[in-house]
Amino acid sequence: KAGVTQTPRYLIKTRGQQVTLSCSPISGHRSVSWYQQTPGQGLQFLFEYFSETQRNKGNFPGRFSGRQFSNSRSEMNVSTLELGDSALYLCASRPGGLEPPTEAFFGQGTRLTVV
Amino acid sequence: AQSVTQLGSHVSVSEGALVLLRCNYSSSVPPYLFWYVQYPNQGLQLLLKYTSAATLVKGINGFEAEFKKSETSFHLTKPSAHMSDAAEYFCAVSAMEYGNKLVFGAGTILRVKS
Repeated sequence: KAGVTQTPRYLIKTRGQQVTLSCSPISGHRSVSWYQQTPGQGLQFLFEYFSETQRNKGNFPGRFSGRQFSNSRSEMNVSTLELGDSALYLCASRPGGLEPPTEAFFGQGTRLTVV
Repeated sequence: AQSVTQLGSHVSVSEGALVLLRCNYSSSVPPYLFWYVQYPNQGLQLLLKYTSAATLVKGINGFEAEFKKSETSFHLTKPSAHMSDAAEYFCAVSAMEYGNKLVFGAGTILRVKS
């Protein structure tokens, strides 16, 4: 079974631009979560999608958005990039049910650098 | 309120020595607990999980963790460290009060000395 696939692996963007990151979950998994990882803040939860609906949301500004498609693939978008958005963005997939909560399987991440 | 606390941002052990990485959680309901490992520029890999069955959980690569409700702890151990264990380790909790999302601790970087 293929794992979680994130594309691209590396991105360099300029301040003020926008960026879209993609995540394909494990086949059959319906939940996709996104995390931002930085040295200073650690792993911060962005949002979770389940069956094309946002089920959970972290404390990030509205510049961060996401969506999920009918095939469970997910994208996250960051508009008006700031230097502080430089981070490793991780996608995680889970089968989907809330009870019991299951472990998440992570992709290798997208390293975003904003210059 | 901090839901997962990992004591020690850096831990250093000699090869062959015991590894002990500490994790304390806060949850008003029985939680599900996880340990993940991350190698540089990689995603997170699940080491083990506690899901209210046995309190002593065995994972991959010789790691294990014990759930202690009275101490609200879920410490990760390995009897004998190997150089390949050098990585960052994250403890995570999932519970209904957190919307069942995974909430991570700050991580502990394990260094293994030869």
